[in-house]
Amino acid sequence: GENVEQHPSTLSVQEGDSAVIKCTYSDSASNYFPWYKQELGKRPQLIIDIRSNVGEKKDQRIAVTLNKTAKHFSLHITETQPEDSAVYFCAASIQGNQFYFGTGTSLTVIP
Amino acid sequence: EADIYQTPRYLVIGTGKKITLECSQTMGHDKMYWYQQDPGMELHLIHYSYGVNSTEKGDLSSESTVSRIRTEHFPLTLESARPSHTSQYLCASNRGNSPLHFGNGTRLTVT
Repeated sequence: GENVEQHPSTLSVQEGDSAVIKCTYSDSASNYFPWYKQELGKRPQLIIDIRSNVGEKKDQRIAVTLNKTAKHFSLHITETQPEDSAVYFCAASIQGNQFYFGTGTSLTVIP
Repeated sequence: EADIYQTPRYLVIGTGKKITLECSQTMGHDKMYWYQQDPGMELHLIHYSYGVNSTEKGDLSSESTVSRIRTEHFPLTLESARPSHTSQYLCASNRGNSPLHFGNGTRLTVT
């Protein structure tokens, strides 16, 4: 099956700085890559997603890039704020089936 | 409001007991999933279903079973609970190539 690796496992940044989280996947058939944010004690929530026919997608302070050749995708958060502190998960899926998740990145934004 | 509902939210039970975790969604989704997650850690796919009377095992062998008799309902049963089953169980659903939508989870403790 698919194998998704995520780095780093923990990340601390100063408020206002940028944060980058990277993921790689193994199955070249994967074509849908969502990112989820999970706050303490809450359910994972979708923050942005990208499909294999697109190289980059942006939504305000959040952007995702995808390199299909290298099989990696990244989450970029600019101008970080304390409320961005959470655990972030990347995932890979084939046509919206069997989502495989990375191991998570615990992001701390220091005020 | 369309959502995915899990009950109970918290459950403490003794070793050897049979338990069923309930999951229902009112989002009109055809695909449903169960994930196991220790707090803040990786999500492991336990079972999934692409429609009524269709169920498959995921990569994590959790000694559990599921059923999908109705589109909106996807219960998870542990025939004999063990302390190693202590974890959070997240139910999710989606349709087509859309992202997963998660329930609030059931936190299970087996004593």
